[in-house]
Amino acid sequence: ETGVTQTPRHLVMGMTNKKSLKCEQHLGHNAMYWYKQSAKKPLELMFVYNFKEQTENNSVPSRFSPECPNSSHLFLHLHTLQPEDSALYLCASSRDGNNSPLHFGNGTRLTVT
Amino acid sequence: GIQVEQSPPDLILQEGANSTLRCNFSDSVNNLQWFHQNPWGQLINLFYIPSGTKQNGRLSATTVATERYSLLYISSSQTTDSGVYFCAVGGGGTYKYIFGTGTRLKVLA
Repeated sequence: ETGVTQTPRHLVMGMTNKKSLKCEQHLGHNAMYWYKQSAKKPLELMFVYNFKEQTENNSVPSRFSPECPNSSHLFLHLHTLQPEDSALYLCASSRDGNNSPLHFGNGTRLTVT
Repeated sequence: GIQVEQSPPDLILQEGANSTLRCNFSDSVNNLQWFHQNPWGQLINLFYIPSGTKQNGRLSATTVATERYSLLYISSSQTTDSGVYFCAVGGGGTYKYIFGTGTRLKVLA
């Protein structure tokens, strides 16, 4: 699906680095999501934004900082990460929360060294 | 919160075989989606199916919301069907979609 675009596709960072993941949706949706997928685990919801307002923070450590400047863009700022934070980070959007289908981007595969 | 269980966890099929994947959920939900995650990690929407039955080519899905389960049928499987199949459910009043643990499917040529 090309309606949700994530960059970069791959990222390798050291524990002291600061980096950001970007997500952009071209579907006119109002809700945007960050999910984390670690090896051998189901997708874990991290954050939800609806009309730019954060509606869910699923007990995510403060080294992950989301930003939603408008309904089309979502960022995940990363700093002082740990090796166990290595995972596939997936962005998704939906028109109207969980009353409408989720559409995912291709994900960013993050490796923390 | 809502619990979502999928079965079987792993499935190996010979090309051309049929299969049924199951998703059970612990509470009433507003909607349900089935996804296929390919080997590159991309999640593809298969069905948005809060209730009833839908078909798309060799795939079909049925959700019986009152009995809290959904089934995904794959007929005449192909090697390109390999990957992980997830169901995700959404409850009323929140923006959360909760994912199941997935069924890992491998189709052999």
